[in-house]
Amino acid sequence: SYVLTQPPSVSVAPGKTATITCGGDSIGSKNVHWYQQRPGQAPVVVIYYDSDRPSGIPERFSGSNSGNTATLTISRVEAGDEADYYCQVWDRSSDHYVFGAGTKVTVL
Amino acid sequence: EVQLLESGGGLIQPGGSLRLSCAASGFTFGNYAMNWVRQAPGKGLEWVSVITGSGSGTYYADSVKGRFTVSRDNSKNTLFLQMKSLRAEDTAIYYCAKCMSTSGWPSFDPWGQGTLVTVSS
Repeated sequence: SYVLTQPPSVSVAPGKTATITCGGDSIGSKNVHWYQQRPGQAPVVVIYYDSDRPSGIPERFSGSNSGNTATLTISRVEAGDEADYYCQVWDRSSDHYVFGAGTKVTVL
Repeated sequence: EVQLLESGGGLIQPGGSLRLSCAASGFTFGNYAMNWVRQAPGKGLEWVSVITGSGSGTYYADSVKGRFTVSRDNSKNTLFLQMKSLRAEDTAIYYCAKCMSTSGWPSFDPWGQGTLVTVSS
């Protein structure tokens, strides 16, 4: 089955840039979605189809996808960005959606 | 406003059965595929199942295939998850989530608030 690999944690100072990676075999050929989950809340999509941003999501959130790595970038990090972030793809070979294990972003 | 409201969770003994429901409002329910996603305590997200808008297509995670059945009643704007032969490892918050668009394999938006299923003797 298809595996998505994320770093368990990322720490970043306020105002700096957080970069969260999502690795997978030829992930660049797939559509990647990213979710933010704050403690005690349901997930919210922050980037879909690699780099599109839903309405209401700040422009500070951006995404890219190429080769074997997709990336979620959070610019000018704020305290409210502290959350778990998950990447997701649809794996056509297994007809499964797949989530990465998640990355906990800590704002120092 | 799109709203999803899950219900039916609770404490169930191993080997038991439970049916979850997700009441949808604020959109044309039958036009969108719907999903179940679960999250064990302190763990990450695990996709469970997706059903197409018409209900003609269903897909399952390997961990639940053969034990869980997803269905929908488009006349009542309701999604279901019938769970049988429940195991301790099925303990989780179960979320229903709407596919964001009507084609392809899109992201999920929005998600319900979740319903907790606890499998324990």
